[in-house]
Amino acid sequence: GENVEQHPSTLSVQEGDSAVIKCTYSDSASNYFPWYKQELGKRPQLIIDIRSNVGEKKDQRIAVTLNKTAKHFSLHITETQPEDSAVYFCAASMPYNTDKLIFGTGTRLQVFP
Amino acid sequence: DSGVTQTPKHLITATGQRVTLRCSPRSGDLSVYWYQQSLDQGLQFLIQYYNGEERAKGNILERFSAQQFPDLHSELNLSSLELGDSALYFCASSTGQGGYEQYFGPGTRLTVT
Repeated sequence: GENVEQHPSTLSVQEGDSAVIKCTYSDSASNYFPWYKQELGKRPQLIIDIRSNVGEKKDQRIAVTLNKTAKHFSLHITETQPEDSAVYFCAASMPYNTDKLIFGTGTRLQVFP
Repeated sequence: DSGVTQTPKHLITATGQRVTLRCSPRSGDLSVYWYQQSLDQGLQFLIQYYNGEERAKGNILERFSAQQFPDLHSELNLSSLELGDSALYFCASSTGQGGYEQYFGPGTRLTVT
């Protein structure tokens, strides 16, 4: 069935350290993997995404890696800052007659100064 | 600003009542998705419409219904409201043509008393 597992559920790091969040998806036909950042009471915002024909993508301090064989992908945030504190959601596409996304359960990241 | 608009921003109503939430997608987007997010929970997919037609259904209760109009705006109708329906309701839009990227509106916070 459609499923995306996300770990850890909470993550606390010191400012300047790196943070890694991992997701595993179930459907090998999934070919699009976005990451969303949601601050308290705000909308989820797309921060980075990757398609299945690419193994890694970077945008300044954030990067996403994809391992299609193992069906997992990860978000890496380097040099974390307090403003990175938020809930992060991963998602995987469900391409069968729809372009809906299946979301992971979220990771609450806290960056301490 | 994602370009997706939702009204109202807040809604307070009593149990047993009926409410309508409205969403206007980004210009050019044909797909609209509705999500429910309860306190400190993940994003529960409710339903997707593409160019006026229902395309995918998630965990949507029978008391809830939605539609997408010819001008592509969408409405989510919630009836016989219960305390447990209190949540943030997000609408998102995408091109609906294999692009997958979803952009979220600011949400409607529904409180049922």
